[in-house]
Amino acid sequence: NAGVTQTPKFRVLKTGQSMTLLCAQDMNHEYMYWYRQDPGMGLRLIHYSVGEGTTAKGEVPDGYNVSRLKKQNFLLGLESAAPSQTSVYFCASSPDTYGYTFGSGTRLTVV
Amino acid sequence: EDQVTQSPEALRLQEGESSSLNCSYTVSGLRGLFWYRQDPGKGPEFLFTLYSAGEEKEKERLKATLTKKESFLHITAPKPEDSATYLCAVQGITGGFKTIFGAGTRLFVKA
Repeated sequence: NAGVTQTPKFRVLKTGQSMTLLCAQDMNHEYMYWYRQDPGMGLRLIHYSVGEGTTAKGEVPDGYNVSRLKKQNFLLGLESAAPSQTSVYFCASSPDTYGYTFGSGTRLTVV
Repeated sequence: EDQVTQSPEALRLQEGESSSLNCSYTVSGLRGLFWYRQDPGKGPEFLFTLYSAGEEKEKERLKATLTKKESFLHITAPKPEDSATYLCAVQGITGGFKTIFGAGTRLFVKA
């Protein structure tokens, strides 16, 4: 009964490096989301997916790309990391548009 | 533009001292208002969904209420284990599948 699993949990990148964050859910949910959380600000939506093979932009999509090749996985990529992308990243999933189940987060530091 | 403002930013209570957290929102047609609990270092945990003004939901010491412009999370006789950050979020009918989160209220309950 894992729910939503995010890997890695922590990562330090140098400016300009690339990386991929993996989100996996075992609840057969159609909808998946990537949010970032910064001190003093609410969770902000980066990208989301309404089903396998679909993706869409959220509030703050610049500098990020996503893919959902399989229903259970949602990948978030940073092609060229910048210090402004230092944040805690949360993945979430839901069976419809309500009541999200969140993962435990990835703490990313870009130096 | 959909917006969510939570107050206060932080609230310190003695065990047993009841109080309320406020969530003011602006949305072009409310599809749903959500409350989440977030413990340090973890992802948010879903608590309630409210759909229309006048609706109330309860769970243990928590009760959420909704009006046309705000929602309250009432905490009755809180215990130290209720200490967490409480997040409010809204989804509007014109926002697609985007859920907008407030910055949260950090609740501290002292024994």
